[in-house]
Amino acid sequence: EVQLLESGGGLVQPGGSLRLSCAASGFTFTSYAMSWVRLTPGKGLEWVSTVSATGETTYYADSVKGRFTISRDNSMNTLYLQMNSLRAGDTALYYCAKGAVAGTSGWFDPWGQGALVTVSS
Amino acid sequence: DIQMTQSPSTLSASVGDRVTITCRASQSISSWLAWYQQKPGKAPKVLIYKTSTLESGVPSRFSGSGSGTEFTLTISSLQPDDSATYYCQQYNSYWTFGQGTKVEIK
Repeated sequence: EVQLLESGGGLVQPGGSLRLSCAASGFTFTSYAMSWVRLTPGKGLEWVSTVSATGETTYYADSVKGRFTISRDNSMNTLYLQMNSLRAGDTALYYCAKGAVAGTSGWFDPWGQGALVTVSS
Repeated sequence: DIQMTQSPSTLSASVGDRVTITCRASQSISSWLAWYQQKPGKAPKVLIYKTSTLESGVPSRFSGSGSGTEFTLTISSLQPDDSATYYCQQYNSYWTFGQGTKVEIK
């Protein structure tokens, strides 16, 4: 069974940093692109970032480009999201999600249970 | 960037009703569209991918159609368990979600 377990969420002040982790199990991690998606009450689901299976290629939403960095450690089956210069608008539940099809990105399946990030002074 | 516009934002219907949610893309995305269901406190779950392919285990009352820029998700006979928020997602060029449609049972 595929499992994705996010950690690292919490309360951070505006301008601060936080690193999310997603521990993956139950599938060949090195074969799948991985993504971060966030949920906010006002905006619904928003794609944040995706990294290719090898980690060589990364993609970012304009709203986080230059502030967030996605990476993966294929030896540890773990996905990361380094979030810097955090803003109130980054407050959200952050989901880790697996690409549904090996070798491509496509749609996301499954998703983790989420890590809550709150940016507030 | 491709924008996805979903409608309606909320709908209320009775058990047994046929329900349709529409998703429009700002440019053609061919058939690269997925639909997700999200219930409160739960992770999103894929229902349909590539416009009309039903994910394994998803009830057959769910169906998807469309191509290019206009797509629909239909629930042929609404059930109490279908109360949730539904999102479309394009994966033709990067990834974009619609704003969501909250489905309530009358």
